[in-house]
Amino acid sequence: LAKTTQPISMDSYEGQEVNITCSHNNIATNDYITWYQQFPSQGPRFIIQGYKTKVTNEVASLFIPADRKSSTLSLPRVSLSDTAVYYCLVGDRSSNTGKLIFGQGTTLQVKP
Amino acid sequence: DSGVTQTPKHLITATGQRVTLRCSPRSGDLSVYWYQQSLDQGLQFLIHYYNGEERAKGNILERFSAQQFPDLHSELNLSSLELGDSALYFCASSLGDQETQYFGPGTRLLVL
Repeated sequence: LAKTTQPISMDSYEGQEVNITCSHNNIATNDYITWYQQFPSQGPRFIIQGYKTKVTNEVASLFIPADRKSSTLSLPRVSLSDTAVYYCLVGDRSSNTGKLIFGQGTTLQVKP
Repeated sequence: DSGVTQTPKHLITATGQRVTLRCSPRSGDLSVYWYQQSLDQGLQFLIHYYNGEERAKGNILERFSAQQFPDLHSELNLSSLELGDSALYFCASSLGDQETQYFGPGTRLLVL
């Protein structure tokens, strides 16, 4: 059974770079890796998506090694408003059904 | 605002009852996904529809069913409700199968 693993929580300070890693050993060959941000009582919000190597947009970077068994979300210079739960989302090759697996989420606390 | 709408926002009902949750995807999106989020289980993928057809199924209970209509809106039907079904139910939509999913604000279901 596929499993997606993230650290449960992380602390950081304003202005620092934060890296959150997700392990996904059974990622489907054709599936993308997507990261979401969620604030309390709101739906997850898209941050970034990638397939391999490195992707960068205006808010984050995503690093994916060649074996694609993990991915790292990088948030440059975090602010207090980045305090949220961050989830990775990948497909599940073990079931070959298109099933989608969310990580358990990483609660990021940004301190002043 | 993601462009995905969900109704109702809140729902309180009793055990044994049946409820219907509704989702309208973003304009132009053909895929609709349903997720359940509870405190102990995190974000769980339930089911995915693409252009009216079921595309993938996750850990959806037999008491739950869904469909996507010709106008692309979707409904999630939950029957014989149990206390443990209390959760946030999110709908997401995407253009196709692999594109970014955009989440609605969710329906908070409380079963008493």
